[in-house]
Amino acid sequence: QLQLQESGPGLVKPSETLSLTCTVSGGSISSSSYYGGWLRQPPGKGLEWIGSIYYSGRTYNNPSLKSRVTMSVDTSKNQFSLKLSSVTAADTAVYYCARLTYDYGGIFDFWGQGTLVTVSS
Amino acid sequence: DIQMTQSPSSLSAFVGDRVTITCRASQSISSYLNWYQEKPGKAPKLLIYAASSLQGGVPSRFSGSGSGTDFTLTISSLQPEDFASYYCQQSHSAPWTFGRGTKVEIK
Repeated sequence: QLQLQESGPGLVKPSETLSLTCTVSGGSISSSSYYGGWLRQPPGKGLEWIGSIYYSGRTYNNPSLKSRVTMSVDTSKNQFSLKLSSVTAADTAVYYCARLTYDYGGIFDFWGQGTLVTVSS
Repeated sequence: DIQMTQSPSSLSAFVGDRVTITCRASQSISSYLNWYQEKPGKAPKLLIYAASSLQGGVPSRFSGSGSGTDFTLTISSLQPEDFASYYCQQSHSAPWTFGRGTKVEIK
């Protein structure tokens, strides 16, 4: 069974960069069928897709976050990572990593438990 | 972006009740609609994909229907482990978007 686990600081200062890593176990991320995805859920709000990365390094971002998002992949460690720059309080959220498959459009079929990141000085 | 409107935002039900949650898309998405279950502290779980296909391992009391803009998730007989939040998501076109969720609580 595929498992994903997010890791990273739970507290980030405003204007700094949020950095998270997703470690995948129970399967290889170097698969031609799947992408790694990042999503978030601010307190009291809905889920928002942040972006997705293929094992080759090709990325797709949500335009709503413009150029603040950087994603990378390390196939040797079976990990993919997210950096979100110039954070504000509005970026406070539970951040999830997930596997994205395109079997029928973009479907998130396995998720991590999520990690709360608070933006505060 | 495609907007997803989910209703109700919360509901209370008894164990054994039939529960229905609806999701409406702001434009036609054919059958590109997925349903997820979320419990506190746990990884969200894919229940239904392509509007009506049951993900492996998901109990058959869960079912999905609809196409175009209107969709439904039905739990035929609510079980104690089903008390959770449920989200719809359109997989028709990026950016992938979600409904605001429905919290199912014990009555």
